[in-house]
Amino acid sequence: EVQLVESGGGLVQPGGSLRLSCAASGFTFSKSWMHWVRQTPEKGLVWVSRIDNDGYSITYADSVKGRFTISRDNDKNTLYLQMNSLRVDDTAVYYCVRGSDWPGTDYWGQGTMVTVSS
Amino acid sequence: DVVLTQTPLSSPVTLGQPASMSCRSNQSLGQSDGDTYLSWLQQRPGQPPRLLIYKIFNRFSGVPDRFSGSGAGTDFTLTISRVEAEDVATYYCTQVTQLGLTFGGGTKVEIK
Repeated sequence: EVQLVESGGGLVQPGGSLRLSCAASGFTFSKSWMHWVRQTPEKGLVWVSRIDNDGYSITYADSVKGRFTISRDNDKNTLYLQMNSLRVDDTAVYYCVRGSDWPGTDYWGQGTMVTVSS
Repeated sequence: DVVLTQTPLSSPVTLGQPASMSCRSNQSLGQSDGDTYLSWLQQRPGQPPRLLIYKIFNRFSGVPDRFSGSGAGTDFTLTISRVEAEDVATYYCTQVTQLGLTFGGGTKVEIK
C-alpha cells in the first residue's frame, strides 16, 4: 500500500524557516517523481514544486522560487521541502504527492499545516 | 499558462440521482503523443484529495464505476451516475504541464 506521511509543519513567524519531510513507503521511491502541492480555502490547490526520481530535474512555482528548496533522499525514501523567508501567504496545508506512471499524479499524503504569523 | 475553469461552483443533488460537472481549459490539452492527461480528484471534507479519473476517462484503482469521465480538447466532464452519501465532496480537475500542475477551482457536491 502506497503511503506518504508528511511532517514538519507548524507555526513560524514571517521571515522564518521550516523543513517539511515526506516519508514514503509501499512503492519504489527512487523510481517516482514527487511533488509538493499546497492548499488554502482562498486559493484552492496550488502546485509548489516537483523533483524527478534522481533529484536532477527540479521545478518551482514562481511564488516560491528562490525561497523554497525541494530535495530527496532515495536511501531514506524521504522527500523534503526547505522553506525559507516564509511569508504570511505561505500559510497552507502542504501535501506530498507522487508522480504517476503517466504525466500526472496519483497518491497524496495526509498533509501538514504550515502557519506563518506573528 | 493552462487555466482550468470548473462549473458549477456547487451542485445540490438528490441521493440516487446523477450529477455532472464541467472542466474547461483555455487551451487544448491534447498532447503530441495523442494522449490527454486530464485527471479528476475527489476531496471529502477533512481529507486529502484522492485520484478518481486519469487521462480523461480511466478510473483509478478502487474507484466505483458510478464515476465516469469524458471529453476532449478543452471540454471535460465528470459524471456520477447515482450519487451516494459518501460522494459529498469537492471535485477538482487537474492537468500536468511543463511548468508543473494546474488545478481547477473545484465543484462542491452536496445533498439536497
